[in-house]
Amino acid sequence: AQSVTQLGSHVSVSEGALVLLRCNYSSSVPPYLFWYVQYPNQGLQLLLKYTTGATLVKGINGFEAEFKKSETSFHLTKPSAHMSDAAEYFCAVTPGGTYKYIFGTGTRLKVLA
Amino acid sequence: DTGVSQNPRHKITKRGQNVTFRCDPISEHNRLYWYRQTLGQGPEFLTYFQNEAQLEKSRLLSDRFSAERPKGSFSTLEIQRTEQGDSAMYLCASSFQRGGGTEAFFGQGTRLTVV
Repeated sequence: AQSVTQLGSHVSVSEGALVLLRCNYSSSVPPYLFWYVQYPNQGLQLLLKYTTGATLVKGINGFEAEFKKSETSFHLTKPSAHMSDAAEYFCAVTPGGTYKYIFGTGTRLKVLA
Repeated sequence: DTGVSQNPRHKITKRGQNVTFRCDPISEHNRLYWYRQTLGQGPEFLTYFQNEAQLEKSRLLSDRFSAERPKGSFSTLEIQRTEQGDSAMYLCASSFQRGGGTEAFFGQGTRLTVV
């Protein structure tokens, strides 16, 4: 069965510090991987996605993620946190590019001034 | 605005009442999804349409829930005889079938509170 694990339900970083949000997946077929961001009482906005090809993918707002097949990971990073990055972040997988997204439980990012 | 639109944004209802939510997808998108999100959890898949055909329903979708997508355009999600456990954010998303890995675009959700 496919699944997504996000380590750390809450992460706090200082403004300007590195952001690292962890995501590990389990999939029996080649996965397509996504990171979404959700602001309070809002829907989900796509940050970036990995389908095939280059394993380092860049997204919006300075975020990037690297697909590491050997580690079954797709961690999200940003070199320098901004106050506006405070939100909840969800990692998702669609096994083999099928339609059904499987989401992790989310990581709430807090940015400290 | 050409995004996914959901109405209403908030709904408070008494236990036992029926409620209906509407989702208007991005116009050229042929796939439409409904997800449910409870506090502290990620979205959970409920059902999926390819054009007007409902191709999969999660076991989370009890017989009190019904979804339709007439003519492959907007979709409605109805919950009959609501229960307090139905309180959640209901998210609609749409995508365009274009090989694998096509991202889904989400609406802002309908927050249901059953009192």
